[in-house]
Amino acid sequence: QKEVEQNSGPLSVPEGAIASLNCTYSDRVSQSFFWYRQYSGKSPELIMSIYSNGDKEDGRFTAQLNKASQYVSLLIRDSQPSDSATYLCAAEGSNSGYALNFGKGTSLLVTP
Amino acid sequence: DTEVTQTPKHLVMGMTNKKSLKCEQHMGHRAMYWYKQKAKKPPELMFVYSYEKLSINESVPSRFSPECPNSSLLNLHLHALQPEDSALYLCASSPTGGPTDTQYFGPGTRLTVL
Repeated sequence: QKEVEQNSGPLSVPEGAIASLNCTYSDRVSQSFFWYRQYSGKSPELIMSIYSNGDKEDGRFTAQLNKASQYVSLLIRDSQPSDSATYLCAAEGSNSGYALNFGKGTSLLVTP
Repeated sequence: DTEVTQTPKHLVMGMTNKKSLKCEQHMGHRAMYWYKQKAKKPPELMFVYSYEKLSINESVPSRFSPECPNSSLLNLHLHALQPEDSALYLCASSPTGGPTDTQYFGPGTRLTVL
């Protein structure tokens, strides 16, 4: 079973701080990794995708990938209360038509 | 435009009913997916269609029947469901279904089975 592991949290950070979300994956064949944000009762919304080792920045978000360690992370700078949501880490599944294997999600709470 | 639409938004059905969920995208994507999400759980893959052909069925019970009439449309036919099938049903699409594709999700259909 190919797995994606996340700390379920909740992770609580004050407004303006950096939130750090982490994820590990077991399938060494996976090439693509994604972070989705999901508000309660809503569908997942793509935040970042990353395919190569290193960092990828988009506005306040930075994704980091280390394939040797099978580790993916998401940093959110200047966290806002509106960032409070569940963050889902996903890896493309090589044995499921490249559909996504999701971690259980990390609940983030940004306090004013 | 990265929009995937799903109808209905909410559905309540009895265990003897037959109903269908509909998903549509006009991005020219050739891969479409059905996921099921229970409360406080991650989405779980049900089916994958690639170029209008069913490529993956994750051992889903036969009371769920997918259909892909054309490259823009994906249906999920429901029959004789159980209360434990109550969940958020998510449709997604991606350009080709390849290993570096990004999947875009629709808003989901909240299904309640009585």
